[in-house]
Amino acid sequence: DGGITQSPKYLFRKEGQNVTLSCEQNLNHDAMYWYRQDPGQGLRLIYYSQIVNDFQKGDIAEGYSVSREKKESFPLTVTSAQKNPTAFYLCASSRSANTNEKLFFGSGTQLSVL
Amino acid sequence: KNQVEQSPQSLIILEGKNCTLQCNYTVSPFSNLRWYKQDTGRGPVSLTIMTFSENTKSNGRYTATLDADTKQSSLHITASQLSDSASYICVVSAGGSGTYKYIFGTGTRLKVLA
Repeated sequence: DGGITQSPKYLFRKEGQNVTLSCEQNLNHDAMYWYRQDPGQGLRLIYYSQIVNDFQKGDIAEGYSVSREKKESFPLTVTSAQKNPTAFYLCASSRSANTNEKLFFGSGTQLSVL
Repeated sequence: KNQVEQSPQSLIILEGKNCTLQCNYTVSPFSNLRWYKQDTGRGPVSLTIMTFSENTKSNGRYTATLDADTKQSSLHITASQLSDSASYICVVSAGGSGTYKYIFGTGTRLKVLA
């Protein structure tokens, strides 16, 4: 999947629990993104980061948090404030946050609520 | 409102047949349009990219067309194979200095039968 590794593949969250999804890339890309995919809907942007130590909210950031302490890593935390977390989560990266750049996606994490 | 609409939602064809998927968009300012292939449970993979000035682009058995006047794109798959079974997602990038935005369609789910 283009040098982007997401883990775990499947994740279960209990009520009131925070969970963290991992995303690592070895493409030396500056920009990284988190998307949420629900059945019958297009991908929706949660957060994106154009450069290390910087990140911006996307369209559906409520209930989520991120960090970008290293260029290669962009973990996503799904907090207890996210009331409907069940979805397929995709991490992506690109050389820069430029609309001409191709997005490279990881293989996704399926999050379900117990 | 920036939108990308794809049709049909799903399609079933026999192996060896051709098919065409449609994408209509209302995105401004337009930067480029990509088609992605997403296998079940995996991340999307880029097939083609088209800018405003390009009408046709091919990638093996995949041929994408773009009509910037009518804001329509199509993806034609020739001599389909079982491995073509996947969702095909149209993604339009909105341009603009210092900003970025990818607008995702909901995808067409293609099933190729033997």
